[in-house]
Amino acid sequence: DTGVSQDPRHKITKRGQNVTFRCDPISEHNRLYWYRQTLGQGPEFLTYFQNEAQLEKSRLLSDRFSAERPKGSFSTLEIQRTEQGDSAMYLCASSLMTVDYGYTFGSGTRLTVV
Amino acid sequence: AQSVTQLDSQVPVFEEAPVELRCNYSSSVSVYLFWYVQYPNQGLQLLLKYLSGSTLVKGINGFEAEFNKSQTSFHLRKPSVHISDTAEYFCAVSDNAGNMLTFGGGTRLMVKP
Repeated sequence: DTGVSQDPRHKITKRGQNVTFRCDPISEHNRLYWYRQTLGQGPEFLTYFQNEAQLEKSRLLSDRFSAERPKGSFSTLEIQRTEQGDSAMYLCASSLMTVDYGYTFGSGTRLTVV
Repeated sequence: AQSVTQLDSQVPVFEEAPVELRCNYSSSVSVYLFWYVQYPNQGLQLLLKYLSGSTLVKGINGFEAEFNKSQTSFHLRKPSVHISDTAEYFCAVSDNAGNMLTFGGGTRLMVKP
């Protein structure tokens, strides 16, 4: 297993366009998390899945954001009608059932909205 | 709900000197505590964690941290730093249900030759 993979690594988009990011977790991990990190800040929780069920969403996750994890494997995070304030690093992490073991993070997708 | 405060946004230190990165947390329930390191343009890597038991926790790369319940602190220490330790360090907390991590704002450790 090569760890948590995120695609793409970088995305530049024009304001108002839709973007979609993909995360492939470690295969035996049943939990998958999305975080957003802006420059100079710590990661902020967006949402998490246990298998295919989305169990919690942050208030940061506006109606323009949607995440899915079909069949409990990979996950996608879509942002519709992007705004300049969406520019950030989007981090995906996976873990076993609880955080006792800590998360394994991917390298992130850096989004720049111009 | 939990929160984490990292008291220093930047810590400059000379190579081979000791360093302490401070972390305080707030929670109304028992917590798990973590330190992560982030190198430029990379994801976060787990350094160490406190779940229960001994309050002194040893991690990778020679780092250790001490859990102090009365002071609600979990400071990270290393007796002798290297240039390669230059990175951003994040303290994080989870409730003992273990559903998700809440991170502090980070401390940039800058090791100078």
